[in-house]
Amino acid sequence: GQNIDQPTEMTATEGAIVQINCTYQTSGFNGLFWYQQHAGEAPTFLSYNVLDGLEEKGRFSSFLSRSKGYSYLLLKELQMKDSASYLCAVTDSNYQLIWGAGTKLIIKP
Amino acid sequence: ETGVTQTPRHLVMGMTNKKSLKCEQHLGHNAMYWYKQSAKKPLELMFVYSLEERVENNSVPSRFSPECPNSSHLFLHLHTLQPEDSALYLCASSQEGSSGANVLTFGAGSRLTVL
Repeated sequence: GQNIDQPTEMTATEGAIVQINCTYQTSGFNGLFWYQQHAGEAPTFLSYNVLDGLEEKGRFSSFLSRSKGYSYLLLKELQMKDSASYLCAVTDSNYQLIWGAGTKLIIKP
Repeated sequence: ETGVTQTPRHLVMGMTNKKSLKCEQHLGHNAMYWYKQSAKKPLELMFVYSLEERVENNSVPSRFSPECPNSSHLFLHLHTLQPEDSALYLCASSQEGSSGANVLTFGAGSRLTVL
């Protein structure tokens, strides 16, 4: 079966750095997405990786290793507004989007 | 209005009721989706409409019935639901066929409670 694993919940301190990991086992690979979802709001697109390496976008970076079936989302200089759930999703060989259950990130002052 | 709009935001219904969820996208996208989001579970794709043709997920019970009258509007008709159908129902749209990633734009969801 196809599977995406990410931690259920993480806690970090304002101003610090946090890394949210995502591992996947899918039938083929055509890209990996990260979405952010604040409580009661719509998920919003953060990043897309299809080639190995690091993609940087301001305070957020996303890394992909296809050989290891692994990605991480790195958040720097954490702010209270970064408290949200972070969803990892992989597009398989049939271009179906397989979702993880999300990681709830709690930021403490 | 911009983006993807869903109404109602909250809905409480009995098991014998019939209700509908509405979604409208103002992005000119050619694909629309219904997802079910339950606590601590992955998003479950229910239905996809691509170029106004339905791609159905066979595991969705018949008490959920989608309708896509045009490329901007999507409905989810609900009847004789069960308490386990209580969840957040998310609508999304995307531009299929464009180069690069097929990025979904989501609505804020309709929170459904079945009593």
